[in-house]
Amino acid sequence: QKEVEQDPGPLSVPEGAIVSLNCTYSNSAFQYFMWYRQYSRKGPELLMYTYSSGNKEDGRFTAQVDKSSKYISLFIRDSQPSDSATYLCAMSEGGFKTIFGAGTRLFVKA
Amino acid sequence: NAGVTQTPKFQVLKTGQSMTLQCAQDMNHNSMYWYRQDPGMGLRLIYYSASEGTTDKGEVPNGYNVSRLNKREFSLRLESAAPSQTSVYFCASSEAGGGAPSTDTQYFGPGTRLTVL
Repeated sequence: QKEVEQDPGPLSVPEGAIVSLNCTYSNSAFQYFMWYRQYSRKGPELLMYTYSSGNKEDGRFTAQVDKSSKYISLFIRDSQPSDSATYLCAMSEGGFKTIFGAGTRLFVKA
Repeated sequence: NAGVTQTPKFQVLKTGQSMTLQCAQDMNHNSMYWYRQDPGMGLRLIYYSASEGTTDKGEVPNGYNVSRLNKREFSLRLESAAPSQTSVYFCASSEAGGGAPSTDTQYFGPGTRLTVL
């Protein structure tokens, strides 16, 4: 069993839809939870991070962490075609090692 | 400010050949990382360098060696390439290393696409 599980998709939605992306994990020692966005043929870039449990909002993006269920989510409101990318969840206990999910491919249709 | 640069962008090797992937950053970061990305597997850490002069194994180090040449440069060497090493390789750097993401965001390069026949 992988430490971090993420549905690879693809997920296709119309422009303006609310998108929900999710990951589950098995390591209860994870404290830092991150979402990266990766455009085709590019390197990942950090989108959002959350420490421990709770919600964090940044513009159209909201990250949620539920440590009791070992479940994290990223919500994208008013999705745009420019949001079409692969979204990677990532987690860390702290320190130098980060565990990444396999990524979910998202397509937002105009 | 180029950020993290990687060379080459593409490479095709035959089984048993060797090569070195180069990575450089111009952000004065202390820590550098090498990852591989395979379909369905996500990014996996191969090696990292917490600071100049140190290197440590990550999740999948077998078949690879690294050199932290100076603060800017971190190279990854495949001594005898195997088809299982066909992948996209990403280099990343972070300011301090080991800290919270708010103070230690990893910045990734554009990747090297390697095929081993």
